[in-house]
Amino acid sequence: GQNIDQPTEMTATEGAIVQINCTYQTSGFNGLFWYQQHAGEAPTFLSYNVLDGLEEKGRFSSFLSRSKGYSYLLLKELQMKDSASYLCAVMDSNYQLIWGAGTKLIIKP
Amino acid sequence: IAGITQAPTSQILAAGRRMTLRCTQDMRHNAMYWYRQDLGLGLRLIHYSNTAGTTGKGEVPDGYSVSRANTDDFPLTLASAVPSQTSVYFCASSEHSGNTGELFFGEGSRLTVL
Repeated sequence: GQNIDQPTEMTATEGAIVQINCTYQTSGFNGLFWYQQHAGEAPTFLSYNVLDGLEEKGRFSSFLSRSKGYSYLLLKELQMKDSASYLCAVMDSNYQLIWGAGTKLIIKP
Repeated sequence: IAGITQAPTSQILAAGRRMTLRCTQDMRHNAMYWYRQDLGLGLRLIHYSNTAGTTGKGEVPDGYSVSRANTDDFPLTLASAVPSQTSVYFCASSEHSGNTGELFFGEGSRLTVL
């Protein structure tokens, strides 16, 4: 079966750096997405990786290793507004998105 | 810019009742999707539509139906609601099907079936 694993919850301190990991086992691979979802709100797109390596976008970076079935989202200079759930999703060979359950990130002052 | 609008925002429904969740987008996106989100689970695809006039079944289609009469609207109907359909429902769209670009989500419809 297809599976996306990410930690349920993480805690970090304002101003620090946090890395949220995602491992996947899917039927084929057509890219990996990260979305941010604040409590009670809609998910919003953060990043897309289809090739191995690091994609940087401001304070957020996303890394992919296709051979390891592994990605991480790196958040730098954490702000209180970064408290949210972070969803990892993989597009399989049928171009269907398989979603992880999300990682709830708690930022403490 | 509205993006995707869902209605109602929240609804409490008696089991056995029929319910339609509405979804409208103004981005002229070809593909639209309905997901449900439950605590501890990833988003699960209910139904999708790659273009107006076509629909397809997702991962959890039973008990739900959709229609796509035009580009903008993609309503989701629960013919006879059951308590297991208590969930938050998200409508989403993308420019094209099989799109490796982003999905745009509505704000969600929280449905409680008693």
